[in-house]
Order: sequence, then C-alpha cells, then structure tokens
Amino acid sequence: EAEVAQSPRYKITEKSQAVAFWCDPISGHATLYWYRQILGQGPELLVQFQDESVVDDSQLPKDRFSAERLKGVDSTLKIQPAELGDSAMYLCASSLTSGATDTQYFGPGTRLTVL
Amino acid sequence: AQSVTQLDSQVPVFEEAPVELRCNYSSSVSVYLFWYVQYPNQGLQLLLKYLSGSTLVESINGFEAEFNKSQTSFHLRKPSVHISDTAEYFCAVSETGRRALTFGSGTRLQVQP
Repeated sequence: EAEVAQSPRYKITEKSQAVAFWCDPISGHATLYWYRQILGQGPELLVQFQDESVVDDSQLPKDRFSAERLKGVDSTLKIQPAELGDSAMYLCASSLTSGATDTQYFGPGTRLTVL
Repeated sequence: AQSVTQLDSQVPVFEEAPVELRCNYSSSVSVYLFWYVQYPNQGLQLLLKYLSGSTLVESINGFEAEFNKSQTSFHLRKPSVHISDTAEYFCAVSETGRRALTFGSGTRLQVQP
C-alpha cells in the first residue's frame, strides 16, 4: 500500500539554527499539506499545495517558515531561524485531488525539538 | 470560521466495555466530518467519514459515528473495545470550498484489561 514518506523522523536543533523537513506524497496525489501538531493539540494547517502552487499559506509564519514543491511532487518545509516554540510534530499529508471530501493520507511525521 | 471541540482529553475504559468519544463542531456552511486515529508512533489514519446520505457511518473495525446536524455533533462509538483500540482519536471537519481539515484537540482512549 502506498504511503506518504517523511524524513527525518526526529530532529533536535538549537534555537536560531535552520532546519528542513522533506515529504514525498503518494504517487499521483496532486494536493499536499503541511500541518503542525503541538503536544496535546490537534494538527493545524501550515500550507497547502495544489501541484506546485501554494493555495493556502495563511497560517504559515512567513518571517521564518518557507515551503516549496518545485516539480509538484515532493516538498520541503524549512524553518530559519528555529525558535523554542517551534518544537512540535510536523505532519505531511496528501490527497488525490483538492476536493473537500477527499481522504487525506498522512505520513509518520517529523518530531522537532528546539533546545 | 469552523471549529471542532472534543470535550474529553482522556477516556479510560475497561476491555469489552462500550465507549463514546464526543465531538462537536461549529460552521456556517455545509461540512464534511472525519474521525482519524493515531496509534503510538504512527501517523494519522482515517477511521471513517461522513460526506452525505445516511447519518450513521461505520468503520471496518467496529466503530461507528452519527452525524447530528441539529446538535452539530459527530460522536464516535464502539459497543465493545479491545486493548488494540488504545490510541488517540481526532475529530476533523472540512467545509465546502476549503479543503484543509480543522482538527479537534484529540481524545486519548486508554483500554485497560
């Protein structure tokens, strides 16, 4: 069964350093999402791509976060500089189309700890 | 804006007992409702979803949820739980025209022998 791949699974960094996370969605899925899940809370959307275009980044802290999906396949989320409050699980999800009824398939996540 | 409330952060229950995990939502437009499950050290997996039609939806592992529009609820139930059901359960909603999911804060189901 096809899965969403993410790496690394765990990342420990010091504040003010740069970090990057990678996501490879299920083959053929046009829509890709990055969510952030703070401990004890539900995931919250950071950015949504339709193919290579950003369709929603209203909750992305653009002063330090950036995301790209250059060829409309895999995606990278970057934080520079990292802050203590960025410690969280970063989840990538993909769906076949952008329809509100489409099932989103989630990867295992990257757990970020900022010291 | 849409929002989801899961009233119980933790639900302890004995094996083979029934369980209900509560979910309420608010939205000004039509919504689609989802329950996701997160087992320890794994990603979120879709458990079941309500899109339209029958208000009672079922999963393959015995869970069911009922959409109640008047009470804006989508509670998850199982008549008899197993140890393997121990996990965190998230209720989520998407609105027509907005594809991303809005999640509740999750309910940790702890099934005890």
